[in-house]
Amino acid sequence: DARVTQTPRHKVTEMGQEVTMRCQPILGHNTVFWYRQTMMQGLELLAYFRNRAPLDDSGMPKDRFSAEMPDATLATLKIQPSEPRDSAVYFCASGFNVGGQANEKLFFGSGTQLSVL
Amino acid sequence: GEDVEQSLFLSVREGDSSVINCTYTDSSSTYLYWYKQEPGAGLQLLTYIFSNMDMKQDQRLTVLLNKKDKHLSLRIADTQTGDSAIYFCAEGSMYSSASKIIFGSGTRLSIRP
Repeated sequence: DARVTQTPRHKVTEMGQEVTMRCQPILGHNTVFWYRQTMMQGLELLAYFRNRAPLDDSGMPKDRFSAEMPDATLATLKIQPSEPRDSAVYFCASGFNVGGQANEKLFFGSGTQLSVL
Repeated sequence: GEDVEQSLFLSVREGDSSVINCTYTDSSSTYLYWYKQEPGAGLQLLTYIFSNMDMKQDQRLTVLLNKKDKHLSLRIADTQTGDSAIYFCAEGSMYSSASKIIFGSGTRLSIRP
């Protein structure tokens, strides 16, 4: 049963600490999306990779957030230093893109619920 | 810029039809999607429609697309308590240099007995 795996499921940390969230996309998928979900802002796109290359991270606060794909089986999202306003659920999704234009059907992980105190 | 808009809440009686509406801005979108999110879970793809179609039916789900008005709707026939969830509309947007999938804010569907 292929699925996107995210770790950790829950993370509670103190302001100023580094947070690393991990995502294992579905084997064979070539796109990875990171989204952040809050009550106020809904679902915001943070970063988007295709074939491990970052294509769009315009939605990500660059001073503290970074997203990488060290290999095809792992995507990471780091926050350093974390702030209380970063508290949210962070979702990773993967898909298979054909032809360039966003047309993939996304499979979402269960999310990482982050609380920054 | 790219934008996908939905109403935040919808309440329907069990057994009635639910209609969730969405408007989008990118007329070049190839696919438009509906995702469902149940409590504590990630989003799951419910259905999608290719932009050259007007309608797509899949069991209790009917998707209608009006490209001229950039309006998308999802109709759920015979709504059941298990349909309670947040429903997200999404489009593949070409506004930026890299096309990406943009989601609406989600419509929370609640079912009354």
